[in-house]
Amino acid sequence: SQQGEEDPQALSIQEGENATMNCSYKTSINNLQWYRQNSGRGLVHLILIRSNEREKHSGRLRVTLDTSKKSSSLLITASRAADTASYFCATVLLAGANSKLTFGKGITLSVRP
Amino acid sequence: GAGVSQSPRYKVAKRGQDVALRCDPISGHVSLFWYQQALGQGPEFLTYFQNEAQLDKSGLPSDRFFAERPEGSVSTLKIQRTQQEDSAVYLCASSLRRGNTEAFFGQGTRLTVV
Repeated sequence: SQQGEEDPQALSIQEGENATMNCSYKTSINNLQWYRQNSGRGLVHLILIRSNEREKHSGRLRVTLDTSKKSSSLLITASRAADTASYFCATVLLAGANSKLTFGKGITLSVRP
Repeated sequence: GAGVSQSPRYKVAKRGQDVALRCDPISGHVSLFWYQQALGQGPEFLTYFQNEAQLDKSGLPSDRFFAERPEGSVSTLKIQRTQQEDSAVYLCASSLRRGNTEAFFGQGTRLTVV
């Protein structure tokens, strides 16, 4: 079962534009993470935001977390063709020994040169 | 290299054959995860180890799937009597501590059952 649901499922933008991707989840979390996956490759960690944080920045990435709405957004500013990939949000639940990441189905981002 | 290494990268198995997939995590990483990713889908959790202890195997689809990490480092995911629905990419990830740190993923093993 997948806890996170990303929105939209696919996004196509022009190079230089900003890309906003959203993620909603169902249960209380310890933290939420965003990952990128290029075609046929493993996942690469982008950013982690804890449940007591509201916003975090890393380079061209900005992530927000609204625990009251159980949602997060990932903003990529000034997109580049190299940002073309699938993006996944993943949650870590609050349960004691259960620290697994639960992924959504992902968003396919295409950045046109 | 210093990343998570998985082998083989590709495996073609005849239906009914047993397969073993290997994961070498980053040295010193306590947590190790196995995920299954079908085409066009997100990774689905299979099992989790903390050192050599398998703390969660709730995602293993059937008793044909078995994972071990006997010395708390290298892990093997074994699938017995493979079936076509087992065809997927199997991803291994490790993290330094439990839960609240980023996970580092290997490139995955693409299993095709024919």
